[in-house]
Amino acid sequence: LAKTTQPISMDSYEGQEVNITCSHNNIATNDYITWYQQFPSQGPRFIIQGYKTKVTNEVASLFIPADRKSSTLSLPRVSLSDTAVYYCLVGDMNNRDDKIIFGKGTRLHILP
Amino acid sequence: GAVVSQHPSRVICKSGTSVKIECRSLDFQATTMFWYRQFPKQSLMLMATSNEGSKATYEQGVEKDKFLINHASLTLSTLTVTSAHPEDSSFYICSAIHRDPTDTQYFGPGTRLTVL
Repeated sequence: LAKTTQPISMDSYEGQEVNITCSHNNIATNDYITWYQQFPSQGPRFIIQGYKTKVTNEVASLFIPADRKSSTLSLPRVSLSDTAVYYCLVGDMNNRDDKIIFGKGTRLHILP
Repeated sequence: GAVVSQHPSRVICKSGTSVKIECRSLDFQATTMFWYRQFPKQSLMLMATSNEGSKATYEQGVEKDKFLINHASLTLSTLTVTSAHPEDSSFYICSAIHRDPTDTQYFGPGTRLTVL
């Protein structure tokens, strides 16, 4: 199971674009990259998932370089409500023996 | 997206009693579910993997006789904390694997357990 490394915390301002980068040097061929958002006293919420290149949905974009050893979550025009902890997870959910191990995540603080 | 529910959302119990937490996948079937525990200001810690129709796989350091897991159907897994003690007080979160279109893990809202 690939181990991930993220910045412990980040600050940004409302209306800015925020990019959070995650390193996963030991990613395996069948691993997907998934990002989650967690608010206090709530379960993690799925944001986006990708395998390679770029993925975009209504809330975020995920950029994955060709070597897949890192990924960047991009949140466009953040608001105060985006203050949360963001987790980057890597794994192969099709493999019954695989399991998601959470890293420390990135604590994002949006300032007015 | 896929929805996972947990019940109860919050429970307070006396030391020595047992507490059961339910995890349900509401709109999909899940052969695999996971149970996590989270202490304040910390990340989620995987406790066990629950596979439908077979015994759960526990992580190192997690007592299987204390944290009983039953995955009796494709939409329900339960975690029973037996003989609870104050140090078992924590936030318990379950997740389920949704396999369409890609295998993605979806999380429940969590259960806050307080043992007095």
